[in-house]
Amino acid sequence: EPEVTQTPSHQVTQMGQEVILRCVPISNHLYFYWYRQILGQKVEFLVSFYNNEISEKSEIFDDQFSVERPDGSNFTLKIRSTKLEDSAMYFCASRFLTEAFFGQGTRLTVV
Amino acid sequence: EDQVTQSPEALRLQEGESSSLNCSYTVSGLRGLFWYRQDPGKGPEFLFTLYSAGEEKEKERLKATLTKKESFLHITAPKPEDSATYLCAVLANTGNQFYFGTGTSLTVIP
Repeated sequence: EPEVTQTPSHQVTQMGQEVILRCVPISNHLYFYWYRQILGQKVEFLVSFYNNEISEKSEIFDDQFSVERPDGSNFTLKIRSTKLEDSAMYFCASRFLTEAFFGQGTRLTVV
Repeated sequence: EDQVTQSPEALRLQEGESSSLNCSYTVSGLRGLFWYRQDPGKGPEFLFTLYSAGEEKEKERLKATLTKKESFLHITAPKPEDSATYLCAVLANTGNQFYFGTGTSLTVIP
């Protein structure tokens, strides 16, 4: 079964610090995503990435956030100047046509 | 605006008691409707993709069906290990993002 891998599984950071969340999507997939889920709430879209550029982003995905695919296999989400309200599970997903798989998530705790 | 609504929010079943979960959607052209299972603290686990009205897919005790406005996830003779949150998401013809519902939290009591 294909798998999306995310690291770390849990990250604790101080408010104001920068964090980088990492993902290895499924190798033949073309679309990559970041979603987040605040505890007890809905899965929310952050950004989609296709052909080495952002194809869509939500209102949440402001200048504090950025994404990169630095080496053709990793897909990263950088969050600058973290705030308490950034605490959430962050999920990476990859899609080929209409099959889409999610990683196990990174639990980000901002203290 | 594209929207996905799931009902009920929570469902408690006795082991063996079959039931259905509902996902209603409004999108400007459906490319695919997805069902996922999510266990606490874990990522959504892919179950099914449905593409067109009338389509059905099955996996073990789960069967998903699709109409032009909604999808049902039927659970036949559930077991305690089926306890999880079931998420529905749609992918529209316009755009690349998945729109998620709020999920149905299923508890199956032995």
